[in-house]
Amino acid sequence: SYVLTQPPSVSVAPGKTARITCGGNNIGSKSVHWYQQKPGQAPVLVISYGFDRPSGIPERFSGSNSGNTATLTISRVEAGDEADYYCQVWDSSSDHWVFGGGTKLTVL
Amino acid sequence: EVQLLESGGGLVQPGGSLRLSCAASGFSFRSYAMNWVRQAPGKGLEWVSVISGHGDNTYYADSVKGRFTISRDNSKNTLFLQMNGLRAEDTAVYYCAKSYNVVAEYFDYWGQGTLVTVSS
Repeated sequence: SYVLTQPPSVSVAPGKTARITCGGNNIGSKSVHWYQQKPGQAPVLVISYGFDRPSGIPERFSGSNSGNTATLTISRVEAGDEADYYCQVWDSSSDHWVFGGGTKLTVL
Repeated sequence: EVQLLESGGGLVQPGGSLRLSCAASGFSFRSYAMNWVRQAPGKGLEWVSVISGHGDNTYYADSVKGRFTISRDNSKNTLFLQMNGLRAEDTAVYYCAKSYNVVAEYFDYWGQGTLVTVSS
């Protein structure tokens, strides 16, 4: 089965740039989606198809995807960005959705 | 405004059954695939199942296949998850989530979840 690997945690100072990676075999050939989940809340889509931002998501959120790594980049990080972030792909070989293990973003 | 409201969670003994419901509003329910995703306490997201708009295609995570059944009633704008043979490891908050379009599209709306606890 397809596996997505994320770092458990990323820490960044306010105003700096956070990069959260999502590793998978040839993930660059897949559509990657990213979700933000704050404590006690349901997940929220922040990036679809690797780099598209839904309406209402700040331009500070961006994504890229190439080779074996997809990356969610958050520029000018704010305290309100502190959350868990999950990557997701559809594995067409098994007809399963797959989530990464999640990355806890801490704003120092 | 899209709204998804889960219900049916609760405490159940190992081996027991539970049926979750997700009442949808604010969109043409029959036109979209729908999903169940769960999250065990303190853990990450785990996809459980997806059903196509007309209900003719269903897919399950290996961890629940043969025990859980996803279904929908498009006349009542409601999604269901029948859970049988429940195990302690099924304890989680269960979210319903709307697909952007078809089965393999991202989840654009989520409900607030319903807690299922499997314990004796």
